[in-house]
Amino acid sequence: NAGVTQTPKFRILKIGQSMTLQCAQDMNHNYMYWYRQDPGMGLKLIYYSVGAGITDKGEVPNGYNVSRSTTEDFPLRLELAAPSQTSVYFCASTGTSGNQPQHFGDGTRLSIL
Amino acid sequence: QQQVKQSPQSLIVQKGGISIINCAYENTAFDYFPWYQQFPGKGPALLIAIRPDVSEKKEGRFTISFNKSAKQFSLHIMDSQPGDSATYFCAASKSYDYKLSFGAGTTVTVRA
Repeated sequence: NAGVTQTPKFRILKIGQSMTLQCAQDMNHNYMYWYRQDPGMGLKLIYYSVGAGITDKGEVPNGYNVSRSTTEDFPLRLELAAPSQTSVYFCASTGTSGNQPQHFGDGTRLSIL
Repeated sequence: QQQVKQSPQSLIVQKGGISIINCAYENTAFDYFPWYQQFPGKGPALLIAIRPDVSEKKEGRFTISFNKSAKQFSLHIMDSQPGDSATYFCAASKSYDYKLSFGAGTTVTVRA
């Protein structure tokens, strides 16, 4: 059982470039999330989705976009990469019963130079 | 602002010692308090969770203590082992709310 799969694991971008971070889960979870993790700052919610076709902003959505066309996939797009977006990005998912554990992928380490 | 405040930022403990991590929250609507453990290069994973109807929950060497009146909860790692070296995050949410508010994390190093 793969759980939550994130690709790529590492990426270096130049300022102004764009890219899509991929996230897929095979647990048939309705809820999916994107977080960024910066040293000493914990996990900050970027965007989340409660089901296919439904997305909403989290705490730090600026500079990012998401889409949710299927239950399984929840890609995160950076349109104009900025140095402030250098971070480790985690995707997570959870089931529809209240307070179920969030299952995390192993992250994408992104550097913008 | 951070809805859940966590301390310390890091701690070092000898093998066999006790590690204690503290968290405080402001939102009295929070009623689910999980702890996540993260190893280097991996995503966080649920370690243990508590609801405010109990003051303590124990799973193996890990214990959560909860003080509702003080709006504080803590994680105790008993008989700490080198394999416990990781970053620990506390979190909080409201019942059936699918969003978690995370603390800033505590890096625990257990020296052999």
